Amino acid sequence: AQKVTQAQTEISVVEKEDVTLDCVYETRDTTYYLFWYKQPPSGELVFLIRRNSFDEQNEISGRYSWNFQKSTSSFNFTITASQVVDSAVYFCALDDNYGQNFVFGPGTRLSVLP
Amino acid sequence: DARVTQTPRHKVTEMGQEVTMRCQPILGHNTVFWYRQTMMQGLELLAYFRNRAPLDDSGMPKDRFSAEMPDATLATLKIQPSEPRDSAVYFCASGLAVGVGTEAFFGQGTRLTVV
Repeated sequence: AQKVTQAQTEISVVEKEDVTLDCVYETRDTTYYLFWYKQPPSGELVFLIRRNSFDEQNEISGRYSWNFQKSTSSFNFTITASQVVDSAVYFCALDDNYGQNFVFGPGTRLSVLP
Repeated sequence: DARVTQTPRHKVTEMGQEVTMRCQPILGHNTVFWYRQTMMQGLELLAYFRNRAPLDDSGMPKDRFSAEMPDATLATLKIQPSEPRDSAVYFCASGLAVGVGTEAFFGQGTRLTVV
């Protein structure tokens, strides 16, 4: 069965620090997608990125970057120069069977202090 | 700006009452998910529809929960009878599935409290 692990339950950093959120996944499928979602205090879930299993290139979007390492089954998320508005719970998710197994990790609560 | 719309945003009900939550997916999306979020269990997939057909509802307690899509613009999740342990935030998400890897866009959720 597929599984997503986010070992960091809570992280606190001071504004402008860089922070990396870890995600490790398990799947038997060779074709799958990985996602990151942000859940700010308002409660809604905001899509951040989707990455397929055949594309191991790192991706950068502004202050956000993602490191996909198939060899270690990891899909880590780094925020550079963190800001208070980045404070949220971040979820990693795995979809390996046409959405029928869209599984979320337990989330990492990030607090960015001024 | 297309978004998934869920109603109601908040619902407080007494144990034993029927609860219906509604979701309007993004126009053109062919996939709808229902999730439940609690502190203890995190985000749990309850049900999943593709082209209005239920594909997976294994995460849903069958005796009291039911999910339907009467048409492409409406998905419903019903609990009858409700119990205090059903208290949670229920999210609907929609996406356009093209092979593996549906990109799911979430609604704002329905916060359900059963007393």
